[in-house]
Amino acid sequence: GQSLEQPSEVTAVEGAIVQINCTYQTSGFYGLSWYQQHDGGAPTFLSYNALDGLEETGRFSSFLSRSDSYGYLLLQELQMKDSASYFCAVYSWGKLQFGAGTQVVVTP
Amino acid sequence: DSGVTQTPKHLITATGQRVTLRCSPRSGDLSVYWYQQSLDQGLQFLIQYYNGEERAKGNILERFSAQQFPDLHSELNLSSLELGDSALYFCASSSPGEGTAGNTIYFGEGSWLTVV
Repeated sequence: GQSLEQPSEVTAVEGAIVQINCTYQTSGFYGLSWYQQHDGGAPTFLSYNALDGLEETGRFSSFLSRSDSYGYLLLQELQMKDSASYFCAVYSWGKLQFGAGTQVVVTP
Repeated sequence: DSGVTQTPKHLITATGQRVTLRCSPRSGDLSVYWYQQSLDQGLQFLIQYYNGEERAKGNILERFSAQQFPDLHSELNLSSLELGDSALYFCASSSPGEGTAGNTIYFGEGSWLTVV
């Protein structure tokens, strides 16, 4: 089978740093992706890690450890507009499967 | 705007009925994916097509079916609808080289289905 675990909710203040962890169990692993979804909106691609290490894209960074079946998304210098759900996803055996999502709430 | 177009945006129908959701992928994309998102739930993978052929199947109910046409648009047919089928249905697409490794798929704005 296949499973992804991520926290259901994280709350932080503007300007803070938030780390969203994702652990996965799957076979035929290709890589770990992250998507952002605002309420009622379409999920949008944030980042993808196929190899171990850190990928940085502006205020957002994503990390992968294949040996630990673990990754995280790091949101820096949080802004109110970052309030959204964040999903990790793994591609395995022809299917892109998503975790249940982490709701990030940014407070003033 | 991702370039993926879904219609209708909203749909209200009664239990037992059948509906068809339509998706036009981004220009040049050969893969189409369908996902279901119930209230406060994650994205459940339903099915994927590549250039007209079914490529991968997820937890899609037997009451649901999909196809991808020669012009690459796709339709998701939902029949014998139940209250629990109320959800946001997303279509996504990717081009060859993307998506196949899970790195980038582009979502439409979704079709809100309410079954009453």
